[in-house]
Amino acid sequence: KAGVTQTPRYLIKTRGQQVTLSCSPISGHRSVSWYQQTPGQGLQFLFEYFSETQRNKGNFPGRFSGRQFSNSRSEMNVSTLELGDSALYLCASSWGQAFSDYEQYFGPGTRLTVT
Amino acid sequence: GQQVMQIPQYQHVQEGEDFTTYCNSSTTLSNIQWYKQRPGGHPVFLIQLVKSGEVKKQKRLTFQFGEAKKNSSLHITATQTTDVGTYFCAVKAGNQGGKLIFGQGTELSVKP
Repeated sequence: KAGVTQTPRYLIKTRGQQVTLSCSPISGHRSVSWYQQTPGQGLQFLFEYFSETQRNKGNFPGRFSGRQFSNSRSEMNVSTLELGDSALYLCASSWGQAFSDYEQYFGPGTRLTVT
Repeated sequence: GQQVMQIPQYQHVQEGEDFTTYCNSSTTLSNIQWYKQRPGGHPVFLIQLVKSGEVKKQKRLTFQFGEAKKNSSLHITATQTTDVGTYFCAVKAGNQGGKLIFGQGTELSVKP
């Protein structure tokens, strides 16, 4: 079974631009979560989607948004990029109904650099 | 909000030595998960603990959940260079559905 895939793997953007990251979960998984990983803050929860609905949201500004499609694929968008948004963005999928009661399968991540 | 403290932040060991990382919470946890992230890689699920006092083993790895379900540990016996990486615990954030809170992680380096 194919794992979680994320595109692109690497991205360089300039301050003020926006970016869209994509995640395809494992087939059959309905829950997709996004995390930001930085050396200083560690792994921080951004949001979780289940059946096209945002079920949970972390403490990030409104510049961070996401959505999930009917095939469970998910995208996250960051508008008006700031230098501090440079990070590894990880997507994780799970079977979902009781999300944290199932292991999360992480994708390889998208390394975003903002200059 | 829910927080989980993980210690130590770094651990350097000689190959063959044992290693332990701890996660502590001020509130009772419903369950706790452990993940490993190799350098340059992504977190990989290791195990989930649910019951008070639960102990689970995976080869040289032993996972424990405290009796009060407020702390957990991961112990590796006789470390090998393949154990190198960062180990994270993750807990459910209270009643906030499926939101997971990760500990800061313990970075393990193993000197051959």
